[in-house]
Amino acid sequence: QKEVEQDPGPLSVPEGAIVSLNCTYSNSAFQYFMWYRQYSRKGPELLMYTYSSGNKEDGRFTAQVDKSSKYISLFIRDSQPSDSATYLCAMNAGSYIPTFGRGTSLIVHP
Amino acid sequence: KAGVTQTPRYLIKTRGQQVTLSCSPISGHRSVSWYQQTPGQGLQFLFEYFSETQRNKGNFPGRFSGRQFSNSRSEMNVSTLELGDSALYLCASSPGTVGEADTQYFGPGTRLTVL
Repeated sequence: QKEVEQDPGPLSVPEGAIVSLNCTYSNSAFQYFMWYRQYSRKGPELLMYTYSSGNKEDGRFTAQVDKSSKYISLFIRDSQPSDSATYLCAMNAGSYIPTFGRGTSLIVHP
Repeated sequence: KAGVTQTPRYLIKTRGQQVTLSCSPISGHRSVSWYQQTPGQGLQFLFEYFSETQRNKGNFPGRFSGRQFSNSRSEMNVSTLELGDSALYLCASSPGTVGEADTQYFGPGTRLTVL
């Protein structure tokens, strides 16, 4: 079992939909959680960064962490075609190197 | 602040050759990490340099090596290239703060094709 599991998709939704992207993990020491967005042929771009459990909101994006279930989510409200990308979750335990999920491919069609 | 830059952006090499990739981190960042990204394996950590010293290393063969200079710029070298080395090589920089999770900022990557 990999330390971080993420469904590769693709996840296809219509414009305006609420998107839910998820990762599960096995290492209970993880306490820092990140979401990256990667467009085709580009490097990953940091979207959200959270510490510990709870919700964090930034515009149309909400990151949610449930440490008791070892489950994190990224919600995208009012999704746009420009949100079409691969979304990677990442997490670490306070060391310097995060562990990444494989990424979920999201397609938002007009 | 300027972002992370990587050169070259694209490379085509043949098996057996060697290649050197370059990364310039965000100004003030002291940590540089290198990753290999492939469709099959996702993002795999190669190594991390901090203040010119390799601080962390992933599970890659010795053909993959790196170094960091006093201005924090980093290079990665792959010797005796194999077909399986074809990938997007990403560099990420971070402040390198001790005792906290370091948020990494990625460059655009170098796409290496081995023929």
